[in-house]
Amino acid sequence: DGGITQSPKYLFRKEGQNVTLSCEQNLNHDAMYWYRQDPGQGLRLIYYSQIVNDFQKGDIAEGYSVSREKKESFPLTVTSAQKNPTAFYLCASSPRVAEQFFGPGTRLTVL
Amino acid sequence: SQELEQSPQSLIVQEGKNLTINCTSSKTLYGLYWYKQKYGEGLIFLMMLQKGGEEKSHEKITAKLDEKKQQSSLHITASQPSHAGIYLCGADRGGTSYGKLTFGQGTILTVHP
Repeated sequence: DGGITQSPKYLFRKEGQNVTLSCEQNLNHDAMYWYRQDPGQGLRLIYYSQIVNDFQKGDIAEGYSVSREKKESFPLTVTSAQKNPTAFYLCASSPRVAEQFFGPGTRLTVL
Repeated sequence: SQELEQSPQSLIVQEGKNLTINCTSSKTLYGLYWYKQKYGEGLIFLMMLQKGGEEKSHEKITAKLDEKKQQSSLHITASQPSHAGIYLCGADRGGTSYGKLTFGQGTILTVHP
């Protein structure tokens, strides 16, 4: 079945650690996106990529890094520089001119 | 303040009642997307509106975009418990922002049986 997968579903991080969230899609979509969701704030864009080997910062990129070495994969690293990383992270993908399809999300908690 | 404001922030209705959720933008929209989310899950695409005055329906949900393309409404007729969740509108600004979506804060809908 075609779709977007995110792993893990739940992730716990100790202060000072970097963690990487996985996002994979087999929809052959060019564009991929990472969002952060906090209660009462909707979704905020962290990074996006419209083509392989290229990506741009979104509205809240500080403390995060990404790579786009393959069309299917867009991993997000939450670094120790991110001061408040506890949140629900959503990955999405889209063809060039169409709606975004979302993965099931990863809930990250800092211990 | 948010670029995209949704109202109300939360809504509690009795099963069978009609309801409307609004999404207002401070800028002209290139495209407006409606999504539904169950708590702790990903977003499910509902509808996309692009033309001023456009209206689309799917089952008991109708979405409209006003002529000036700065406000959209989502209307649910004869609500059911399965309609409960968080409804989010997302705006595509077009131009150099093409493909990037800005989201409203969401409207939490509860439907009592």
